[in-house]
This record gives sequence, structure tokens and C-alpha cells, in this order.
Amino acid sequence: GDSVTQMEGPVTLSEEAFLTINCTYTATGYPSLFWYVQYPGEGLQLLLKATKADDKGSNKGFEATYRKETTSFHLEKGSVQVSDSAVYFCALSDNTDKLIFGTGTRLQVFP
Amino acid sequence: DAGVIQSPRHEVTEMGQEVTLRCKPISGHDYLFWYRQTMMRGLELLIYFNNNVPIDDSGMPEDRFSAKMPNASFSTLKIQPSEPRDSAVYFCASSLMLIAASSYNEQFFGPGTRLTVL
Repeated sequence: GDSVTQMEGPVTLSEEAFLTINCTYTATGYPSLFWYVQYPGEGLQLLLKATKADDKGSNKGFEATYRKETTSFHLEKGSVQVSDSAVYFCALSDNTDKLIFGTGTRLQVFP
Repeated sequence: DAGVIQSPRHEVTEMGQEVTLRCKPISGHDYLFWYRQTMMRGLELLIYFNNNVPIDDSGMPEDRFSAKMPNASFSTLKIQPSEPRDSAVYFCASSLMLIAASSYNEQFFGPGTRLTVL
């Protein structure tokens, strides 16, 4: 079945460092891909999305490009802030009702 | 809109007791999802509803868990009897129906209920 694999955390960075969180997927069709973020004590919220190959999703300085050839959707940010500390979830939807989530990657940013 | 509302935010109970978690989805949304989040297992989909009808409950761990959606604005997740291994954060989420096969379905999550079973 469809699945999402994320890099293990935690990812620990200093403020203004470059961030990459890897995400790869397995799907039989052409899924839509998402990154959700969970701040401490809160529910998940959509960060960005891409619905077809080569699309780039972006929001709040974060970017991810839908790479069909490598089945990847890596999250990047050029300069992280302490306020970016959160858990990041990669997810896919095979255009049905459900989302399939990865296990989440905790990001810790220190001043 | 106030977003997805869950209650209580925190629940502490003793093993064997009945626990009821409540969710109010965003008005107008067609889908409602119940998730469980633990350190060991991550985020698991328990059950979801479309227009108040349960569609897939294959994630419900066992018969001790049950969920209902009596109307479009309210759902409950009940655990009876509760066990320590049920301790987790339970999230409710809602979304609109897919418009087309190529569309996407952003899910809006509530703040969660942190359940501790002693």
C-alpha cells in the first residue's frame, strides 16, 4: 500500500542554518503531497502542498518540490528561526478521502 | 469560524473507566477523522466519517473503542473500559469533500485531547 518515509529526528540546528527534512513516498498512482507542521501543544496544520509532478509548494519561507523520478518531497528552508521549532509531517493523498502521514520529524532550533 | 473544537483538552482517568472524547468539526465540512498520536506509533488514523456515516474503521484498535457521529456538528470517540496503553493524544480533523480526482483535501485539525489512563 501507499506509504511515506521521513528522516529520523530530532534535527537540531542553530538559528539561520539551512534546513532539509527528507521525505520519500510509495504510491501506485499520482498522489498529492503535503507537509504539515505541529507546534508544541497544538494540532497539525497544513504548511504547504503540491498536487502534481514538478510542482513546488511554498509557505513561510519553506519549500518542497514534488519529484516523481525520485519519489521525494523534501522540505527546505534557507534560514531557520527559533519559532520554526516543531514537528513536521510529510503526507500523501492518493486523491481519496484519506491522508497517509509519515512518522514526523522533530526540529529544534537554538539561538 | 472557530476551527475544529475538541473537549476535554486533558483527561486523566483510572484503568477500567469509560472515557468519552468530543469533537465539533468546522461547519460545512463533509469529512471527520479521528487520529491517535503516540511516541511509539506516531499518528494513526482510527476512523473517519463522510456525511456522518462511518467509512473506514479499520484503524480502531479493538472493540473497546467506538465512535459515533449523530449529526454534522458533533462526534464522539468512546473507550470502554480504558487501559493504560490507551494513553495518547487524540486528534479530530475535518475536511471538505473532494471536488475532483485531481483536487486536494486539506484536513483541519483540532488541538487534541491528551488522555492519561492510570
